[in-house]
Parts: sequence; structure tokens; C-alpha cells
Amino acid sequence: DGGITQSPKYLFRKEGQNVTLSCEQNLNHDAMYWYRQDPGQGLRLIYYSQIVNDFQKGDIAEGYSVSREKKESFPLTVTSAQKNPTAFYLCASSIKSSYVLGAGELFFGEGSRLTVL
Amino acid sequence: GIQVEQSPPDLILQEGANSTLRCNFSDSVNNLQWFHQNPWGQLINLFYIPSGTKQNGRLSATTVATERYSLLYISSSQTTDSGVYFCAGAAPNFNKFYFGSGTKLNVKP
Repeated sequence: DGGITQSPKYLFRKEGQNVTLSCEQNLNHDAMYWYRQDPGQGLRLIYYSQIVNDFQKGDIAEGYSVSREKKESFPLTVTSAQKNPTAFYLCASSIKSSYVLGAGELFFGEGSRLTVL
Repeated sequence: GIQVEQSPPDLILQEGANSTLRCNFSDSVNNLQWFHQNPWGQLINLFYIPSGTKQNGRLSATTVATERYSLLYISSSQTTDSGVYFCAGAAPNFNKFYFGSGTKLNVKP
């Protein structure tokens, strides 16, 4: 089945440790995104990538890093520089049909819950 | 960036009631979508509706792009409709999606 797979679903980390969240899609989408959601809040954009080997900072990129070496993969690293990393992280993708038509429909993975102990 | 305002922020319904959720954008957007976030956090695509009206069972949505708003109608609500409803859109010629703060719906039996 086509979709977006995030792993792990739950992750516990000690303070000072880096952690990498995986996001893989087999939808053949060009654009991929990482969002953060805190309890009772909306979604905030961390990073996004419109094409392989290129990515842009979102609204809350500090303390995070990404890579886009393959079209289907967009891992997110939460570094020790992120002051409050406990949150729900959502990966998404869209087809990016054209710059005229825009990004196309956005699809989400099931999310990863990170807890810092 | 584009501001997205959703109303109401919270809504409590008795099972069987109807409701209308609203989403206003501060500027023109493409790719307007409605999502339902279930209790496990997963975001489910409800409608991809840049303009016009669509219906899917008890749910329907209308987007008036020229006036920069969209409406989500829920008829004969069920307890399984509970959760948070988000709208989102992307600015023309740009891939960045802007989300509203959501409407939290609680349908009571």
C-alpha cells in the first residue's frame, strides 16, 4: 500500500542526546515536510524539502536538522540544542505538481512521539 | 505568512446534531484541505477542496476561494466524529502549508 511510514512511533531520550526520526514515503511525492505538535496545539513547520538534496527551514527549525539524499526519505534529527524536544512529530508529503498549481494534496504519516526524560 | 483562523475553537454537540466549522485565510491559498485528527494523533484527510463544494457521506465542505474561506459541515454527528479538525492551505506558487489552530469537537452520546 502507498503511504508514509514514520518510525519509531514512541521514543524516549535522555537530555543531551541526539535522536533521529525516520520518514519514508512510497507515493513518489517530490515535497516532504516535518511538523511539530505540542499538546492541545496546532501544527508548526520545522523543515520542508521540495526536491532531493534541497531543503528549507520552517518556522521552528532551531535545534533540528534534516537531510534529503533520496526522494523517498526525509529523516529529522532532534539535536541536544533543541530546548524542549518533547512533542509529537508528524511527517507529510505532497506531489508538488507544478509551481503554478502549487503543492497538491498533503498526506501525513502516523507520527512519532518523543519524550525527553 | 498567511494567517489561518478557525472557528469555533471548541464545540460540544449531542449525538445527532449538525454543525458548521469555519476556516478563514488572510490571503489567497491553493490546495485548501480539511483534516480530522483522531485520538491517536493521526491526521486523516477529509477533503481536498481548493474551490467549490464536495460531499462525502455525512460530511461536506465548501470553499469560496475569492472570499478566502471554507466551511466544513457535519450532519447527524456521531461520537466517532470527536477529535480536532484542522484546515490548511498553501500560498500560490509556494509549497509551504499554513494550518489553523483547529476546532476541537466533542460529540456526546
